[in-house]
Amino acid sequence: GQNIDQPTEMTATEGAIVQINCTYQTSGFNGLFWYQQHAGEAPTFLSYNVLDGLEEKGRFSSFLSRSKGYSYLLLKELQMKDSASYLCAVRDGRGSYIPTFGRGTSLIVHP
Amino acid sequence: GAVVSQHPSRVICKSGTSVKIECRSLDFQATTMFWYRQFPKKSLMLMATSNEGSKATYEQGVEKDKFLINHASLTLSTLTVTSAHPEDSSFYICSAPGQGKGYEQFFGPGTRLTVL
Repeated sequence: GQNIDQPTEMTATEGAIVQINCTYQTSGFNGLFWYQQHAGEAPTFLSYNVLDGLEEKGRFSSFLSRSKGYSYLLLKELQMKDSASYLCAVRDGRGSYIPTFGRGTSLIVHP
Repeated sequence: GAVVSQHPSRVICKSGTSVKIECRSLDFQATTMFWYRQFPKKSLMLMATSNEGSKATYEQGVEKDKFLINHASLTLSTLTVTSAHPEDSSFYICSAPGQGKGYEQFFGPGTRLTVL
């Protein structure tokens, strides 16, 4: 099976930087995704990592270490609209391209 | 990116009735679509994989007679919750895989089902 762990909730200040961690244990590995989900809405794709290292996309960056089963999503210059749930999803090595989702981290950005 | 629509966005029904939810890929074809269920502050739980022209593949513990899935065309999949009960109240989301390097999922806006 798969086990994906991320903090339940985090708070940060507008303009600051926040790092959301995700650890996973899977049978094989075939990619890790980060999604953003605002309350009552569907998730939207943020990033994809399959190789070790940092992927930067504007204010958001995602890091992966396959040997450690670890990823983080880094959000810079936080804005109020960044308040949302951030889902870590991992695809195992069984051949299916369907990822398993973690419970999500609820990020609250305050002024 | 690819656009997936879902209808209705909200539905309230009486216990015992059936509810149909439609999922459409608007600007691309999807031979496969996925149906998820999400409880408040919980993760997305994959219910089933919808396959165009063939039977859906259900995850363990999901009743296929309860949650009927039909993928009649390359742009439409439907989920019918039959004889709905209050415990079926949830947020249902469909998705279709994109063509990007990771085959990321493109999600529909979701359907909030409330069964009275």
